[in-house]
Amino acid sequence: GAGVSQSPSNKVTEKGKDVELRCDPISGHTALYWYRQRLGQGLEFLIYFQGNSAPDKSGLPSDRFSAERTGESVSTLTIQRTQQEDSAVYLCASSFGGGYRLSLETQYFGPGTRLLVL
Amino acid sequence: LAKTTQPISMDSYEGQEVNITCSHNNIATNDYITWYQQFPSQGPRFIIQGYKTKVTNEVASLFIPADRKSSTLSLPRVSLSDTAVYYCLVGDKQTGGFKTIFGAGTRLFVKA
Repeated sequence: GAGVSQSPSNKVTEKGKDVELRCDPISGHTALYWYRQRLGQGLEFLIYFQGNSAPDKSGLPSDRFSAERTGESVSTLTIQRTQQEDSAVYLCASSFGGGYRLSLETQYFGPGTRLLVL
Repeated sequence: LAKTTQPISMDSYEGQEVNITCSHNNIATNDYITWYQQFPSQGPRFIIQGYKTKVTNEVASLFIPADRKSSTLSLPRVSLSDTAVYYCLVGDKQTGGFKTIFGAGTRLFVKA
């Protein structure tokens, strides 16, 4: 079956412009995550969607960042007035989201969108 | 959320067994230990998860001592293609463990 897909794969933009990144999760996965990974560093949690619950936005670094998800499908991460420090790989992941076990669910990651802000 | 500590990097040779240890002194009762692997220009990939003792799958083994304050990922007979970054995560779903920072991980470099 299809995995998590993200588009575009690469994005070059000018400082101050807005960008929109898209994530298509695995069909049937109710949980969706966005992460940011700067060069040579680990992943930084941004936001988490679980079904129809209010998203956990605690990782968004500023109000320039926002994300939406339509039902249990596509999600878009929007960065307004981009800055050079926004340059990074933006990774999306999805997981089943169900079950009662407390164990962390396996997250399936997309290939990421490489954003370069000039 | 429990904090984890891993070596920054490790070198190995093809065919050797590699053990990567992760310290998590503040692990909570409900926390699970999960390892991910990330190749260059790809998203992380789940390797293994455990709660206590030993877990083995077709890729790796995970050893967790009784006090659970550390865990060791064991990769048998590594090959060049095992060169990657390995992340150790600790948490549980209820407390938002998914927000555990993937940290810098351990960069494993396998040489011929």
